[in-house]
Amino acid sequence: RKEVEQDPGPFNVPEGATVAFNCTYSNSASQSFFWYRQDCRKEPKLLMSVYSSGNEDGRFTAQLNRASQYISLLIRDSKLSDSATYLCVVNALYNFNKFYFGSGTKLNVKP
Amino acid sequence: NAGVTQTPKFQVLKTGQSMTLQCAQDMNHNSMYWYRQDPGMGLRLIYYSASEGTTDKGEVPNGYNVSRLNKREFSLRLESAAPSQTSVYFCASSSGMKETQYFGPGTRLLVL
Repeated sequence: RKEVEQDPGPFNVPEGATVAFNCTYSNSASQSFFWYRQDCRKEPKLLMSVYSSGNEDGRFTAQLNRASQYISLLIRDSKLSDSATYLCVVNALYNFNKFYFGSGTKLNVKP
Repeated sequence: NAGVTQTPKFQVLKTGQSMTLQCAQDMNHNSMYWYRQDPGMGLRLIYYSASEGTTDKGEVPNGYNVSRLNKREFSLRLESAAPSQTSVYFCASSSGMKETQYFGPGTRLLVL
């Protein structure tokens, strides 16, 4: 079983739509969670960390559900520039220096 | 600040050839990482260095070696390249455990 699993998509949504992605992780003791964004043929860049109480950054909201072992990302009022692949990242159980990346969920925002 | 830099950007090798991928960061970070990214697989950790002077294996270390030359530089060596090592290689750094990782622009490697 993969450490981190994501729906690869693509999610095709119109501008202005609200879209949500989930990501499940296998190690219940994982401590750190992140969402990264990766544009085509570019490096991943941090979008936001995910905190236990949930957190918001502008149009983006991240949630953590420890009981069900998943994290979510909600994007409101989608922009064309949101089109990218979103990577879920979880730190390792036994070594906090090691992070596991999901294979990503592709989002296409259409005009 | 340049952040994390990687050289080369592109490389084509023949099976059996060797090469070293270079990575440097100017953020005074303690930890550095090498990942490979293949279609549908996500990023997989090859090696990491928690601090200067230490290196450890990640998920997929076979066929690779690393050197943490100093705090700034972390190189990845392929001693005898194989077609299965065709991939995009990313170097990353972070200030410490559980901290945000910053990535370099990647090296696209094709092994024929």
